Amino acid sequence: DAGVTQSPTHLIKTRGQQVTLRCSPKSGHDTVSWYQQALGQGPQFIFQYYEEEERQRGNFPDRFSGHQFPNYSSELNVNALLLGDSALYLCASSRGQNNSPLHFGNGTRLTVT
Amino acid sequence: AQSVTQPDIHITVSEGASLELRCNYSYGATPYLFWYVQSPGQGLQLLLKYFSGDTLVQGIKGFEAEFKRSQSSFNLRKRSVHWSDAAEYFCAVAGGGNKLTFGTGTQLKVEL
Repeated sequence: DAGVTQSPTHLIKTRGQQVTLRCSPKSGHDTVSWYQQALGQGPQFIFQYYEEEERQRGNFPDRFSGHQFPNYSSELNVNALLLGDSALYLCASSRGQNNSPLHFGNGTRLTVT
Repeated sequence: AQSVTQPDIHITVSEGASLELRCNYSYGATPYLFWYVQSPGQGLQLLLKYFSGDTLVQGIKGFEAEFKRSQSSFNLRKRSVHWSDAAEYFCAVAGGGNKLTFGTGTQLKVEL
């Protein structure tokens, strides 16, 4: 039984470019959340998708957008990349939205130069 | 707004010694609390969770945590640390709808 899988594992982009990160949730999970973890910091909540809709959003600009597909997988898109967007992006899945424990993937390391 | 404070950025313990990592939270209602561990280059693994009931919760790998409402704390403990426990530990509180707010983490180093 595969856990949460994320792709790619590493990515290097230039300022101003756009990036798409992908996440497949753990089998049986229908809710996907995205977190940004800057170096030396704890993860920060970006947004959450359930039933293909954004249900909650953290304090991130509109440059950050996402999508959830019918098979529950999800994408995170970031436009007009800034140097400050360099971070580990973590995807987490859960069953429903009732504070069931999150299962995290290993993340995508994004470097913006 | 909810928040989590982990006062210790780094902690070093000897293998076989006991461990306590501190966590203080701020949340208006009854909190849902979690401890996660992160090894280098990895995602976060859930150690234990507190939702309600018994204030002492047991987790994986011999870890336990105690919820103290009067102190707004949820400290993580282990009786005997193993070298493989070296990692970063995050405390988190859940608001509505499974949105987690994390602390800044405590880096644990284990001396052999």
